[in-house]
Amino acid sequence: DAKTTQPTSMDCAEGRAANLPCNHSTISGNEYVYWYRQIHSQGPQYIIHGLKNNETNEMASLIITEDRKSSTLILPHATLRDTAVYYCIVRVADQAGTALIFGKGTTLSVSS
Amino acid sequence: ETGVTQTPRHLVMGMTNKKSLKCEQHLGHNAMYWYKQSAKKPLELMFVYNFKEQTENNSVPSRFSPECPNSSHLFLHLHTLQPEDSALYLCASSQVSRGRSFDGYTFGSGTRLTVV
Repeated sequence: DAKTTQPTSMDCAEGRAANLPCNHSTISGNEYVYWYRQIHSQGPQYIIHGLKNNETNEMASLIITEDRKSSTLILPHATLRDTAVYYCIVRVADQAGTALIFGKGTTLSVSS
Repeated sequence: ETGVTQTPRHLVMGMTNKKSLKCEQHLGHNAMYWYKQSAKKPLELMFVYNFKEQTENNSVPSRFSPECPNSSHLFLHLHTLQPEDSALYLCASSQVSRGRSFDGYTFGSGTRLTVV
């Protein structure tokens, strides 16, 4: 699976958009970009994933650059409950015998 | 509740004890996973089960012994642990289908283990 690079930490004011970047310059054509988050002492939570088109769901939006070498997770109106560690993971579509590998992620702190 | 239930939520055990962690998923998934998260460290994959068969053992010491009796249940049997094994143990499940994008892993809330 391709390696990802994320900033260690970011701050965001409550009510503002949080834009979390992820670099994945070695991504291959059949690898997806997945985002998860982990609120303190809880299990990680799936947020969103995409291949090359931008994606949006009730939690967030995912913007993938045209060359697919980087992406941005957008939380449109951050709340205090969005304070968490956010993980960007690149891998092929799920298949038997593989598993998600987590890096250090970005610690997002939302303050009032 | 996420659909993946882990018990107990907290466990304190001595180094000579034998205990088991339990994970149950109600999502109809066919793959289950154990992860370990030590303080201020990334999640570490321990074991992978697909269709009840163990497909990955990520160099985990033998004092950790997984068991998957059916596709809905996963156990982690613990014996003669060390204090450095104290961590949050997380179970996850997913639906595996070759070559198809999936909706994501569902994690349980974890078992906070303290070895004394």
